[in-house]
Amino acid sequence: KQEVTQIPAALSVPEGENLVLNCSFTDSAIYNLQWFRQDPGKGLTSLLLIQSSQREQTSGRLNASLDKSSGRSTLYIAASQPGDSATYLCAPGSGSRLTFGEGTQLTVNP
Amino acid sequence: DAGVIQSPRHEVTEMGQEVTLRCKPISGHDYLFWYRQTMMRGLELLIYFNNNVPIDDSGMPEDRFSAKMPNASFSTLKIQPSEPRDSAVYFCASSLGALEQYFGPGTRLTVT
Repeated sequence: KQEVTQIPAALSVPEGENLVLNCSFTDSAIYNLQWFRQDPGKGLTSLLLIQSSQREQTSGRLNASLDKSSGRSTLYIAASQPGDSATYLCAPGSGSRLTFGEGTQLTVNP
Repeated sequence: DAGVIQSPRHEVTEMGQEVTLRCKPISGHDYLFWYRQTMMRGLELLIYFNNNVPIDDSGMPEDRFSAKMPNASFSTLKIQPSEPRDSAVYFCASSLGALEQYFGPGTRLTVT
């Protein structure tokens, strides 16, 4: 059974900082890995999808890397802004099934 | 595209009542997923469909839960009878192939 751990559970940073969110998973036999953000009381917004054959994906200020063999992924956020405040969820996928971590709650202070 | 549409957005019901949650996936998507989110258990996959056929319902908690997908543009998740421990946010998501999943806004269910 896939188990996903996200570290840290919560993070508070001043605006403008670069930061890294970590995700580890126990079963490396994955097809892809997806990063989401969730705002309080809202649904999940897909940020990045990394296929198992890829090592990283970039979208704007976001960069996600995947090391499948070691069961790790990182989400790098450059020049953080207050609007980045949300919970970030990592979800490795085996076939069609995603398994979610508990998330990292990020607060970016103005 | 309007994205994944869920209704109702909020549902408050009494224990023992039947609850029906509805989902319209993104047009053209062939996979549909139902998830449940609680503080205690996080996000859990309940069931998913491919081309309207249920593929994996191993996450459905018990026989009180059932899901149907009568056509490519509509799915329901039914709880009968409902219990207070069913209180959660229920999300529907869809994808094209086993790729990027897009989530709806969720239905917040409260069972008193």
